[in-house]
Amino acid sequence: KQEVTQIPAALSVPEGENLVLNCSFTDSAIYNLQWFRQDPGKGLTSLLLIQSSQREQTSGRLNASLDKSSGRSTLYIAASQPGDSATYLCAVDSSYKLIFGSGTRLLVRP
Amino acid sequence: EAQVTQNPRYLITVTGKKLTVTCSQNMNHEYMSWYRQDPGLGLRQIYYSMNVEVTDKGDVPEGYKVSRKEKRNFPLILESPSPNQTSLYFCASSPGMTYGYTFGSGTRLTVV
Repeated sequence: KQEVTQIPAALSVPEGENLVLNCSFTDSAIYNLQWFRQDPGKGLTSLLLIQSSQREQTSGRLNASLDKSSGRSTLYIAASQPGDSATYLCAVDSSYKLIFGSGTRLLVRP
Repeated sequence: EAQVTQNPRYLITVTGKKLTVTCSQNMNHEYMSWYRQDPGLGLRQIYYSMNVEVTDKGDVPEGYKVSRKEKRNFPLILESPSPNQTSLYFCASSPGMTYGYTFGSGTRLTVV
């Protein structure tokens, strides 16, 4: 059974710091991995999608990597800003179903 | 604008009163699904649909029904809501496997 774990559960950093969020999964048979952002009580905004054949994807200050063999993905946020404060969720696509991690709650302090 | 639209955004209802949460997508996506999000339990899949008239259970289907009569719509039906169905619900769609998912803005349901 696929399980997705995110570390750390919460993170507080000063503005401008570069940071890494971690995601691990137990079954390497995935179609893709997707990172989402969720603001409190709001919907899920897709940040990056990495297909199983890819190693990384970049969008602006965000870079996500995928290592299927080790069951790991990282989300790198460069030059963090207070507007980046949110919960970040990773999800693996396992045959018509997204399996989500429990998220990393990020606070970027001005 | 390409989007998944859910209605209503907020709903308070009483135990046993049937309700429907609507979901519509304008991207011609084949695949649609419903999730619920609960504190400490995260996001879990309720039902999914691979195409018109094709639906299947997710991880937590008890107490829910769905239908997919048209490609763009995938309503979630609670025939007899109970307090344990109080949750934040999300609809999602995708063109198919290996593609990413687009989520709706969510429906916060409270059953009293």
